[in-house]
Amino acid sequence: QSVLTQPPSVSGAPGQRVTISCTGTSSNIGADYDVHWYQQLPGTAPKLLIYGNNNRPSGVPDRFSGSKSGTSASLAITGLQAEDEADYYCQSYDSSLSGWVFGGGTKLTVL
Amino acid sequence: QLQLQESGPGLVKPSETLSLTCTVSGGSISSSSYYWGWIRQPPGKGLEWIGSIYYSGSTYYNPSLKSRVTISVDRSKNQFSLNLSSVTAADTAVYYCARGSPMSSCIGAPCYYFDYWGQGTLVTVSS
Repeated sequence: QSVLTQPPSVSGAPGQRVTISCTGTSSNIGADYDVHWYQQLPGTAPKLLIYGNNNRPSGVPDRFSGSKSGTSASLAITGLQAEDEADYYCQSYDSSLSGWVFGGGTKLTVL
Repeated sequence: QLQLQESGPGLVKPSETLSLTCTVSGGSISSSSYYWGWIRQPPGKGLEWIGSIYYSGSTYYNPSLKSRVTISVDRSKNQFSLNLSSVTAADTAVYYCARGSPMSSCIGAPCYYFDYWGQGTLVTVSS
């Protein structure tokens, strides 16, 4: 059971827009801690996708965007491409655990 | 370009200690403001933060693993290490090392995200 809750899977057709939610509590996202997102392509290590809720590292396409409100955060992917098929994880900090926490991950399927 | 590389045994017997090392290249592990951490991923499952060590040497551990985990730094070799004692089959996972970087104008552990990752190493616990 992950501290941050994500849907197990989402899907979309090429060119469409999909969103992945990440729900926390008052001890993590709701405590105004930043949310970060990672993309894990099959068989590879996670890669930083979004940091600080809505910032993209150099090289990440602007098709990827993040937002946060209350105890939840979302990752949006527009203009879906086949290469976006991967697992996506959210991450934040939890004051009750005094440590970093991840969501359970969401598998994105491009139809 | 910063690179991290995990190394260590791929097979550990139950009740023994899992020991892994992460070698950092392209940057100094003694650089101020960074955390160096371990994250694992059981086969087919999600990511779990194990623990992190600050450049100054202070440590943070996942409460669920704290009694079994030790993370240390060897500055002379630009490496940091993970020891996980009394392992069971539940500790079978891909183990990643990663660098924690802070958000700008932010102070403290909550400000960190993992920007560089090693490729990961599979550790199987089995007799």
